[in-house]
Amino acid sequence: DAGVTQSPTHLIKTRGQQVTLRCSPKSGHDTVSWYQQALGQGPQFIFQYYEEEERQRGNFPDRFSGHQFPNYSSELNVNALLLGDSALYLCASSGDLGGSRTQYFGPGTRLLVL
Amino acid sequence: SQQGEEDPQALSIQEGENATMNCSYKTSINNLQWYRQNSGRGLVHLILIRSNEREKHSGRLRVTLDTSKKSSSLLITASRAADTASYFCATDPGYSSASKIIFGSGTRLSIRP
Repeated sequence: DAGVTQSPTHLIKTRGQQVTLRCSPKSGHDTVSWYQQALGQGPQFIFQYYEEEERQRGNFPDRFSGHQFPNYSSELNVNALLLGDSALYLCASSGDLGGSRTQYFGPGTRLLVL
Repeated sequence: SQQGEEDPQALSIQEGENATMNCSYKTSINNLQWYRQNSGRGLVHLILIRSNEREKHSGRLRVTLDTSKKSSSLLITASRAADTASYFCATDPGYSSASKIIFGSGTRLSIRP
């Protein structure tokens, strides 16, 4: 059973560019959450997708958008990249098991904006 | 903003000793979870404790939860070099299926051989 997978593993972009990160959830999971983790910090919640809809969003600008596909995989898009967007982007999948939502994380995509 | 705050921010102990990390949070929760992260990789779920539980064990891990003080602790007994990692607490308010899980800033644990 494959766990959560993310692609690419590393990415270098320049300011103003756009980037798309991809995530495939763990088998049987229908919910995907995205996090941004700056160096030395805890993960910051970006948004969560369920049934192809964004159902919860953190304190991130509209430059951050996402999508969930019918097979539950998801994309995170960031437009007009800023230097401060450099971070590890983590995807986590979960399924509602009796009200407790343990999240399973992918290895992350490390984005460097120059 | 972070919901949980871990204490200490960094901890260095000798192999074989016990390590204790604390987490404080601000709002009511449905459950609290602890995660481990090695060298900026993905997070690994360690243990989940529900708001109506006070203590939970998993192998060398012991987690306590005090909802009156809005705090939790993670104890790792008989530490090993492989325990070197960052540890995060994460709170789930659980007021709806769409509620978001919020992570603390983490404790960096270093085990000296």
